[in-house]
Amino acid sequence: GAGVSQSPSNKVTEKGKDVELRCDPISGHTALYWYRQSLGQGLEFLIYFQGNSAPDKSGLPSDRFSAERTGGSVSTLTIQRTQQEDSAVYLCASSSRQGRVTGELFFGEGSRLTVL
Amino acid sequence: AQKITQTQPGMFVQEKEAVTLDCTYDTSDPSYGLFWYKQPSSGEMIFLIYQGSYDQQNATEGRYSLNFQKARKSANLVISASQLGDSAMYFCAMKAGTASKLTFGTGTRLQVTL
Repeated sequence: GAGVSQSPSNKVTEKGKDVELRCDPISGHTALYWYRQSLGQGLEFLIYFQGNSAPDKSGLPSDRFSAERTGGSVSTLTIQRTQQEDSAVYLCASSSRQGRVTGELFFGEGSRLTVL
Repeated sequence: AQKITQTQPGMFVQEKEAVTLDCTYDTSDPSYGLFWYKQPSSGEMIFLIYQGSYDQQNATEGRYSLNFQKARKSANLVISASQLGDSAMYFCAMKAGTASKLTFGTGTRLQVTL
C-alpha cells in the first residue's frame, strides 16, 4: 500500500529480551518519526530522522533504546533488555516537506509491544 | 519548551449536535503550527486539521473547524453535526519554530450517542 507500514503489529516478549520494530515510510518522505503511546496516554516523542541529517534522539528514554534508518527509507527501533514499563504501542510516522500542510505526519498502525 | 494541554479526558455528544474539544498551548516561539488528530479504536492516527500561527482565518475542513484564539493560546476543535463514527480519541498537537517534533496533548475521548 501507499501508507506507512509497521511490523510486527503485535509483539509479546519476556523481560530482558531484545526486540526490533520496523517502519517502512511513505515513498519519498524524507522525515521519519517514532512515538510511543502507553495505554490511555498521549504520544511521547522518541526520535526523528530527516534526510541525511543527524537524528534528533532527544526523546529516547534510556540507552536501551536505539534506532537506525538505512538508505533514508526503512527504520528499525531496537529496545534492548526490555522492561515491563516498555510495554506500549510504538507508532511510526513519516512526513514530506512537499506535503500540503507543513509538518503533517502520516502514521502507521503501530506495533503493540507487551513485555511479560 | 512546548506544551499542549487538553483538560477534557472524556466528552459525550448526541448525534447531529456540535461539540467543542478544548486545547491550550504554550510556546515562546512566534512561529508554530497546531494540529488535530483523530485516533479511532483501531489505533491509527488520522490527521484532521491544521492552523498556522500566522494564518488570518480559522481553519476549516468539512465538519471540522478550529477556533483559534491566539491571545488566549487556545486552538479548540469544533465538530459540527456529530456522527457515530466520530467516536474516538482526539489529540491536539503543536510544532513550533524549527523544532522537529510534534508535541501532543493527552487527548480527549469523544463518545457520540444516539
